[in-house]
Amino acid sequence: AQSVTQLDSHVSVSEGTPVLLRCNYSSSYSPSLFWYVQHPNKGLQLLLKYTSAATLVKGINGFEAEFKKSETSFHLTKPSAHMSDAAEYFCVVKGGNTPLVFGKGTRLSVIA
Amino acid sequence: DGGITQSPKYLFRKEGQNVTLSCEQNLNHDAMYWYRQDPGQGLRLIYYSQIVNDFQKGDIAEGYSVSREKKESFPLTVTSAQKNPTAFYLCASSPLAGVLETQYFGPGTRLLVL
Repeated sequence: AQSVTQLDSHVSVSEGTPVLLRCNYSSSYSPSLFWYVQHPNKGLQLLLKYTSAATLVKGINGFEAEFKKSETSFHLTKPSAHMSDAAEYFCVVKGGNTPLVFGKGTRLSVIA
Repeated sequence: DGGITQSPKYLFRKEGQNVTLSCEQNLNHDAMYWYRQDPGQGLRLIYYSQIVNDFQKGDIAEGYSVSREKKESFPLTVTSAQKNPTAFYLCASSPLAGVLETQYFGPGTRLLVL
């Protein structure tokens, strides 16, 4: 079985400071892991995905995530937050031939 | 322009009424999905289809029905048996339903009960 835990329901940062959104996962298989972003009243957009290649994955808009098997983590980071990064972020796990399992989301606020 | 379209953007349902949400994709994707999103709950899978004329129940299928008569279309019906239908509904598609799939999402439909 697969599960994912997003450790913070809300993160607030100042513009220009680093962003860290934390995600831990559990999977019976070698997992694929994703981060999606959702702006208010919109669909989800893929930021990045890990599929057992490089453990450091670079995504769009300057985001990246590191897969750490020993810690079962896949935290999302960005060196410098921008106002346009304010949104809801979802960590997602998939293992074997099973549907995606979504975390409950982390709302990122960026303060000017 | 390739993508996934959902209509309508807002939908109002009266008590005891069935309503149908539309989802169309022109990406030539095999698999399609319906999710329900409630505040603080993330996304929960309602139904998914990996091929035309076939679909499987997700985690919260009760009170919903789907059909997949065409590859590009996957409509969702919210029946009167769904007692708490107010939510944001998202449709997605992916090229294949395999382990490396990336899902592409539509803009969503917000369903409200009158």
